[in-house]
Amino acid sequence: EPEVTQTPSHQVTQMGQEVILRCVPISNHLYFYWYRQILGQKVEFLVSFYNNEISEKSEIFDDQFSVERPDGSNFTLKIRSTKLEDSAMYFCASSRTGGGYGYTFGSGTRLTVV
Amino acid sequence: TQLLEQSPQFLSIQEGENLTVYCNSSSVFSSLQWYRQEPGEGPVLLVTVVTGGEVKKLKRLTFQFGDARKDSSLHITAAQPGDTGLYLCAGRGLTNAGNNRKLIWGLGTSLAVNP
Repeated sequence: EPEVTQTPSHQVTQMGQEVILRCVPISNHLYFYWYRQILGQKVEFLVSFYNNEISEKSEIFDDQFSVERPDGSNFTLKIRSTKLEDSAMYFCASSRTGGGYGYTFGSGTRLTVV
Repeated sequence: TQLLEQSPQFLSIQEGENLTVYCNSSSVFSSLQWYRQEPGEGPVLLVTVVTGGEVKKLKRLTFQFGDARKDSSLHITAAQPGDTGLYLCAGRGLTNAGNNRKLIWGLGTSLAVNP
């Protein structure tokens, strides 16, 4: 079964450092998303991406965050200057249509900012 | 602000028992999706319900979407230890934000089925 692949599975970084989280969505999917989940809290929407541009972003997705699809295969989330409160599981998801019938999620990257 | 409330938050039952978990909102959703999440893993889609009143079955799991598309339930018959996990509901909003509207998530129901 096709799957969404995320790397790395764990990342520890110092506060203020830049991190790039990588995702390989399912190859025939057109819509891509980043969500995050702080331990014990709800899954939160960060950003959706379609046709090489951001289609929606949440208030969490401020100027410290950016997304890219650099090569038609990878989908990356960059956090420019990490803060302690950025520590969370970050999930990439993709869907073939606009997500109305469900998403396929990756296994996540656990980001710890120290 | 659209919110989804799930209940109960925790449920511990014996193998063979039946259970129902609920997902409620005051908002209307274009669709509602149920996921199951294991510790340290991403959510895995179980089912999507789209039409008000719709009922979908997945083996021993029965999902229902409320007539007004504001709420949903998941009923598990004869629960097994393999059903243990976090069950999340997520609603797709009606706000006009392009074709790929974001999901609003509940906090989940953590189910433990004891042998």
